[in-house]
Amino acid sequence: AQKVTQAQTEISVVEKEDVTLDCVYETRDTTYYLFWYKQPPSGELVFLIRRNSFDEQNEISGRYSWNFQKSTSSFNFTITASQVVDSAVYFCALIGAGSYQLTFGKGTKLSVIP
Amino acid sequence: EAQVTQNPRYLITVTGKKLTVTCSQNMNHEYMSWYRQDPGLGLRQIYYSMNVEVTDKGDVPEGYKVSRKEKRNFPLILESPSPNQTSLYFCASSLDPGQGYEQYFGPGTRLTVT
Repeated sequence: AQKVTQAQTEISVVEKEDVTLDCVYETRDTTYYLFWYKQPPSGELVFLIRRNSFDEQNEISGRYSWNFQKSTSSFNFTITASQVVDSAVYFCALIGAGSYQLTFGKGTKLSVIP
Repeated sequence: EAQVTQNPRYLITVTGKKLTVTCSQNMNHEYMSWYRQDPGLGLRQIYYSMNVEVTDKGDVPEGYKVSRKEKRNFPLILESPSPNQTSLYFCASSLDPGQGYEQYFGPGTRLTVT
């Protein structure tokens, strides 16, 4: 069985602070994919990034960066210089190769205070 | 514009009154799925479909039915809704999630069963 744990239920930061959202996963699959989705207050789910299990290269996209560490089964998400528009619920998700079932974490609600 | 549409967006109904939530995608995706989102529980998969006429249960299928008669449509049917099915529902589609393709989500349907 697969499991995704986002231990931080809610985080509040002041604008311009950096913040890291943690994601720890469990899977028996040797090949799998990890995702981050954003759910802003408007409610839609927005895809942010996908990472393959065989590619441990970290990724940076503007103020966003992702740190994938297979050794610790973690796929953490850092927002640098946070902005009010970053306020949202962020979900980490996992799917095994060849599977049809995406397993989501329970989400982390990020509030960025001006 | 590539999108997943759901209707209705909001629905208030009474216990036992059959209802259908429609879902349609215009991306020619073979895979479609339904999720429910509840506070503190994240997103949980209800049913998914790998192709026309091929469906399977997710993690929380009880009380729901689906059908996939056409590639673009994947309606969710609640034959006898109960208050514990009050939730936010999302439809999603993907080329092939098991190959790492992201899922595209509809805008959500907020269902209240009284």
